[in-house]
This record gives sequence, C-alpha cells and structure tokens, in this order.
Amino acid sequence: QVYLVQSGAEVKKPGSSVRVSCKASGGTFSSETISWVRQAPGQGLEWMGSIIPIFTTAKYSQNFQDRVMITADESTTTAYMEITSLRFEDTAVYYCARGPQREYSSWLDYWGQGTLVTVSS
Amino acid sequence: DIQMTQSPSSLSASVGDRVTISCRASQSINSFLNWYQQKSGKAPKLLIYAASSLHRGVPSRFSGSGSGTDFTLTISSLQPEDFATYYCQQSHSTPQTFGRGTKVEIK
Repeated sequence: QVYLVQSGAEVKKPGSSVRVSCKASGGTFSSETISWVRQAPGQGLEWMGSIIPIFTTAKYSQNFQDRVMITADESTTTAYMEITSLRFEDTAVYYCARGPQREYSSWLDYWGQGTLVTVSS
Repeated sequence: DIQMTQSPSSLSASVGDRVTISCRASQSINSFLNWYQQKSGKAPKLLIYAASSLHRGVPSRFSGSGSGTDFTLTISSLQPEDFATYYCQQSHSTPQTFGRGTKVEIK
C-alpha cells in the first residue's frame, strides 16, 4: 500500500514563502511521479506541476511557473513544493499525489491528506 | 491547454438510482481520461483510469466509457457513500487539466 504523508498547516504573510513536504512510502519512489494539485476554498482541482524523482526535473503549469519549485529527495523518498511571493489568493489546500509511471502527465492513484496554506496579514 | 467540460455541475438522486456524469475534452485525448471522487474535507480518490479501467478496491458499480473527446462515468446503483463531488481529468498532455466537478446530492 502506498502512503503519502504531508506536512502540517501553515499560516503565512503575503510576500513570504512556504514549503510543503510529502513523504512517500510503500511504492518505488524512483519509478514514479509526484504531482502537486491545488484546491482553493470551495473550488475545483488545479494541477501545479510534477516531478519524476529519478530524473530530478519538474514540469510546471504556466500559472505557477515563476513562483513554484518542486523538488524530490530520493534518499528520504520525500517531495517538496515551495511557493514564493505568496498572495492572498494562494490560500488553498495543497495535495501531493502519485502517478504510477515515469510520465509527467498521468492518473493519480494515491494522494496525500492535503496541507492547508493560509495567507493572511 | 485542453479544456475539460463536465455536465451536469450538480444533480440530485436517490439511493439505488443509476447516475451518469459526462465529460468532454476540447480536443481528442484518446483514452487518457481519469475520474476521481472527493468527499467534503477529504483528498480526492481515483475511481477510473484510462477511461474505463477500475482502480483497485473501487466497487464494480462504478464504470467509465468513452474515447476521443466524450466520456461518461456511470454509477449503476447509487449508494449512500457515493454522495460526493466527481472530477474528470485528462492526462493526455501537460498541463493536465480537471473538469469543474459534478456534485451528487441526495434527493
């Protein structure tokens, strides 16, 4: 069974940065893809980007290209998503999710529990 | 970007009803279409991948069909635990995009 466990809720000020972690277990981290999906309050799902840990390269949505960095550490099977220059509209639940193939675009078969990031002055 | 249009945006149904949700892509995505269920306050769960393959552990009352641009999720006999929001997602190309969701409510 695959598990993805995310770091806890964060409250940040506008203009600051936040980093969310996603610890994977039960799968084969190097053969998979980790994606990040955002859900603003009362809204739908929005793909932010994906990383294939063995390749260490990430692909991003153009909506997040300039402010988001996704990284992965194979030694700890943990992926990270950092957003810089936070805005009020970045308030959302952020999910990591696994794609079972080495493809940037894939179905997402296991999800983390979500991390609420609140941007507030 | 490929746009995904779901319909209806919401529906009311009774336990035991057959429910159908549609998803249309703005261009052909072959069979790169996936369906998720999300309950309030919880992470989404994969139901169907590659248009018609049932994810492990998902009840057989869920099924998916379609290819190209038009896809359907069917729940053959709605159960109390199925009241949730359902999303389609295309994984044909990045950026992978989701439909806006269909909320299934109790009649």
